[in-house]
Amino acid sequence: AQSVAQPEDQVNVAEGNPLTVKCTYSVSGNPYLFWYVQYPNRGLQFLLKYITGDNLVKGSYGFEAEFNKSQTSFHLKKPSALVSDSALYFCAVRGESNYQLIWGAGTKLIIKP
Amino acid sequence: GAVVSQHPSWVICKSGTSVKIECRSLDFQATTMFWYRQFPKQSLMLMATSNEGSKATYEQGVEKDKFLINHASLTLSTLTVTSAHPEDSSFYICSARPSGGHEQYFGPGTRLTVT
Repeated sequence: AQSVAQPEDQVNVAEGNPLTVKCTYSVSGNPYLFWYVQYPNRGLQFLLKYITGDNLVKGSYGFEAEFNKSQTSFHLKKPSALVSDSALYFCAVRGESNYQLIWGAGTKLIIKP
Repeated sequence: GAVVSQHPSWVICKSGTSVKIECRSLDFQATTMFWYRQFPKQSLMLMATSNEGSKATYEQGVEKDKFLINHASLTLSTLTVTSAHPEDSSFYICSARPSGGHEQYFGPGTRLTVT
């Protein structure tokens, strides 16, 4: 069965420092991987996806994610964090049926000035 | 592009009444729409998947007679919570998958409070 793990409930980063939000997955077959962000009192926003091709995927708001097949990981990264990046981040993998997404538990990212 | 709207954004209703929530894809056609519940500080719980013109597929434990889903067009899906009870109070979120796409685009959510 497909599954996604986000091992960190919360990540704290100082503004201007690089940030990483971790995600590992388990799938049968080729993975279709996604990152979404949820700002307080707002809906989920699509950040980026990996379907095929280059292992480094660039997305919205300066975020990128690196697909690592051997480590079954898809960590979200940003070179220089902004206070406005503070939000809840979800990793997801496409399920086996009907384009459903299997969701990680979410990681709260806090960027301190 | 890829905007999904939900209406209403919040609703308060009395126990025993029904509430309809609309989900619209504004600038794309959505072959598949999804309905989720999100509990405070928790991840999304998929309730059902609907394909345009066919019956919704409900996840285990979700009562299909209580949560009626209609996906009558490629841009509109509705969720009706029938005979609502206080335990149905939650944040309901819809998403839409563009035809030919893999990602989902989410509506802003509807906060339902049943008194």
